[in-house]
Amino acid sequence: DIQMTQSPSSLSASVGDRVTITCQSSQDIGDYLNWYQQKPGKSPKLLIYDASNLESGVPSKFRGSGSGTYFSLTIDPLQPEDIGTYFCQQYNDLPITFGQGTRLEIK
Amino acid sequence: QEQLQESGPGLLKPSETLSLTCTVSGGSLRGYYWSWIRQSPGKGLEWIGYIYYSGRTNSGRTNYHPSLESRLTISLDTSKNQFSLKLRSVTAADTAIYYCARQTGGSLFNYWGQGTQVTVSS
Repeated sequence: DIQMTQSPSSLSASVGDRVTITCQSSQDIGDYLNWYQQKPGKSPKLLIYDASNLESGVPSKFRGSGSGTYFSLTIDPLQPEDIGTYFCQQYNDLPITFGQGTRLEIK
Repeated sequence: QEQLQESGPGLLKPSETLSLTCTVSGGSLRGYYWSWIRQSPGKGLEWIGYIYYSGRTNSGRTNYHPSLESRLTISLDTSKNQFSLKLRSVTAADTAIYYCARQTGGSLFNYWGQGTQVTVSS
């Protein structure tokens, strides 16, 4: 299985900050990576697909980048409604695997 | 707007079979991968498996997580626009929130059900 490692596991930042979450894969996955946001008590929501493409309806303050084994999700500027947990997901190979999540809080 | 809704029992005893159904409304099963994903505090998000329905036959093509393959069956009921999961011989390790999701192109999950809590306890 391809292992996905996110960093940090939790993060506290202020409104208006620029926040970056990283995701590393255990092998080269090209750009076969997606990002999701999960708010408390809700199901995950797709934000970014194919590493850098913004899903329809998602604000442009979310930006994805990277390829190969190193990826990042940037939120700029951070707003109170952005609290939740963020996950990366690879689909280069089966089984599909997810990162362990990054929990984002507002200071 | 496509909507997915999971249904099934929330409490099982060890060794029983977990049966969940996902009802899809606002769209067709044809041409998509239909997945089950679970989430537990200890293991995070775990893809369970999918069934792909081309529409050329009445059945679908499945792919399962290797760790669950021996206990798992995912099937379709096209007449009801539903797909289902059966997981046999459950243990406490199968306790999780179970989500159904539409997987576009075998890559991204862009529609999710609200999730259903499944607890395995004696």
